[in-house]
Amino acid sequence: EIVLTQSPGTLSLSPGERATLSCRASQSVSSTYLAWYQQKPGQPPRLLIYGASNRATGIPDRFSGTGSGTDFTLTISRLEPEDFAVYYCQQHGNSLYTFGQGTKLEIK
Amino acid sequence: QVQLVESGGGVVQPGGSLRLSCAASGFTFSNYGMHWVRQAPDKGLEWLTFIAYDVGYIYSADSVKGRFTISRDNSKNTLYLQMNSLRPEDTAVYYCAKDLHGHGNFDYWGQGTLVTVSS
Repeated sequence: EIVLTQSPGTLSLSPGERATLSCRASQSVSSTYLAWYQQKPGQPPRLLIYGASNRATGIPDRFSGTGSGTDFTLTISRLEPEDFAVYYCQQHGNSLYTFGQGTKLEIK
Repeated sequence: QVQLVESGGGVVQPGGSLRLSCAASGFTFSNYGMHWVRQAPDKGLEWLTFIAYDVGYIYSADSVKGRFTISRDNSKNTLYLQMNSLRPEDTAVYYCAKDLHGHGNFDYWGQGTLVTVSS
């Protein structure tokens, strides 16, 4: 089973700043199968990025995804107040699906 | 628009059973694979099980193999999760999610239904 490790666990930033979230896999992941989600309290997750770098429908262009192999990054170019939430990466491989443990993005 | 509505959650005793349902609308249900994902209180996301659009194949996490069974009725646009031998650690919000074909990701989610396993 591929384990995804996200860092940092918590990221404290101010609106307008740039956020960089990391997702590292225990073995190589196909970019096709790497996604990022945003989750706010009391809500289901929302797909942000699929295929490592493709924005999902309706996702603002301040969100971008990069990476390949074992290292993937979600970048939020300029934080808006509504971006403060928990972010998860997720992969699919060998008939299994796994999530990272999440990064909490909080207001500084 | 795509809608997924889960139902069937509640309080159940350890060792008991429960069946969750997920009613789908706004897309051609019979064309897409579907998943169940859960989230324990104040914890992260855990994928549980997947069923192909035509029930041709089913994948499950080791944590639920032999206890949880996914199924679907394409004539009713409904996904199910039969949960047996429930344990306190199965307490969670259970989400159904639509598969993003070709990517193994989850592009639409329901609001979730809470299952509490407690005596």
